[in-house]
Amino acid sequence: DAGVTQSPTHLIKTRGQQVTLRCSPKSGHDTVSWYQQALGQGPQFIFQYYEEEERQRGNFPDRFSGHQFPNYSSELNVNALLLGDSALYLCASSLGGGLGGYTFGSGTRLTVV
Amino acid sequence: GQQLNQSPQSMFIQEGEDVSMNCTSSSIFNTWLWYKQDPGEGPVLLIALYKAGELTSNGRLTAQFGITRKDSFLNISASIPSDVGIYFCAGQLSGGGADGLTFGKGTHLIIQP
Repeated sequence: DAGVTQSPTHLIKTRGQQVTLRCSPKSGHDTVSWYQQALGQGPQFIFQYYEEEERQRGNFPDRFSGHQFPNYSSELNVNALLLGDSALYLCASSLGGGLGGYTFGSGTRLTVV
Repeated sequence: GQQLNQSPQSMFIQEGEDVSMNCTSSSIFNTWLWYKQDPGEGPVLLIALYKAGELTSNGRLTAQFGITRKDSFLNISASIPSDVGIYFCAGQLSGGGADGLTFGKGTHLIIQP
C-alpha cells in the first residue's frame, strides 16, 4: 500500500523563479494538505484541497497556489521565489478532511539561492 | 504563523528512562495529535485525541487531551534507542477534521548510551 509520494525530493531554484511541487496521496485518501517546514520549526499549514477546490488556507501570500486533480493528486506552485521560501514542503493526505489524522509524505527540500 | 508552545525544546536522557513532554495553546482545539519525525522523513502519527480529558495509549506511549482543551501531554515509558527523533504536538480546531493542523516547534529527544 503506497503511502504519500512527493516529487522531486530535492530542488534548487534562483530567487524570482517559479516552482511546482507534486504529491500523490495515499491510496483511498481524497484530501490533500500542504505544509511548509522551515529548519528547526514545526510544519506550517499552507492550504488544503478537497474535491478539486481549495477548502482552507493558512497565512501564506497569493504567491503560493495549488491544484487538485480528479485522481486526487495535487500540485503546489510558488511564484516569485524568495530566499525565505527555502524549506521542506510536506504533503499530507487524509480521508474526508483529516479525521483520524493525516499521512505525511517525506517532503520536497526546496533551496532558493 | 501561529505555533503551539511545546516543551521542553530538547531532552537528553538515558536509555530506559521515562520521558514527558507537553504542549499548550492560548486557543481551544477540538483534536490533539502527536507526531514523530525522523531525519529526512515526514511526521508519522503516534496518537490522536478527540475528547477533552481523554487518555490514550499506544504501546509505551501515553497521551492526554487536557480538560481545558488548551493543552496535551505525551509520555514515553522505558525509552529505547529508536525513540530518538523530534516529537511534535498538533492541534486541530474542527472536530470533523476539515481544517489544517497547528504544530508546536517540536521536542528533540536524544538518548545517551
